[in-house]
Amino acid sequence: NAGVMQNPRHLVRRRGQEARLRCSPMKGHSHVYWYRQLPEEGLKFMVYLQKENIIDESGMPKERFSAEFPKEGPSILRIQQVVRGDSAAYFCATRRDSLETQYFGPGTRLLVL
Amino acid sequence: GENVEQHPSTLSVQEGDSAVIKCTYSDSASNYFPWYKQELGKGPQLIIDIRSNVGEKKDQRIAVTLNKTAKHFSLHITETQPEDSAVYFCAARIIQGAQKLVFGQGTRLTINP
Repeated sequence: NAGVMQNPRHLVRRRGQEARLRCSPMKGHSHVYWYRQLPEEGLKFMVYLQKENIIDESGMPKERFSAEFPKEGPSILRIQQVVRGDSAAYFCATRRDSLETQYFGPGTRLLVL
Repeated sequence: GENVEQHPSTLSVQEGDSAVIKCTYSDSASNYFPWYKQELGKGPQLIIDIRSNVGEKKDQRIAVTLNKTAKHFSLHITETQPEDSAVYFCAARIIQGAQKLVFGQGTRLTINP
């Protein structure tokens, strides 16, 4: 029973490039949350998606960031025209319907040069 | 919105002693409080959680207590072992909308042999 999977685990981009982060939920989980963690800080909520729908994107910057969770395939967090301030660890967490527990993936560590 | 404060930011204890980490939250409507352990380079791992209708929960060497009136909850680790060394995060769940987690700033726990 595989856990939450994220890839890539590490991603290096130059300023102005695009970053695509993928999250495959645990089996039976249809709710996905993306969080960002800056060095030596806690996790900050970015966006919440349920199959094919964005439910809450209040924590995600209005520009350059987007997220999707298609009917088939992983959830994707996309960052366009990356800047150095985007360097962080990005985690997704998933849960089942009607249950509170969120299970985290191993994260993607993004470094923008 | 919800705000979670966590103390201390760092904690060093002798192996075999107990460790206590404390969190306070601001939104009295929050009703679910998980604790996560994060090891270096890994994603947060749920270690214990408590719901607002319960005052205390225990799982082997780990216990969590909740005081709803004071909006305060604590993690207790007894008989600490070197493998308990990690960063620990408390969180509170917003019950409206996305039911996202709001995290404390984290406590770096070091167990000294």
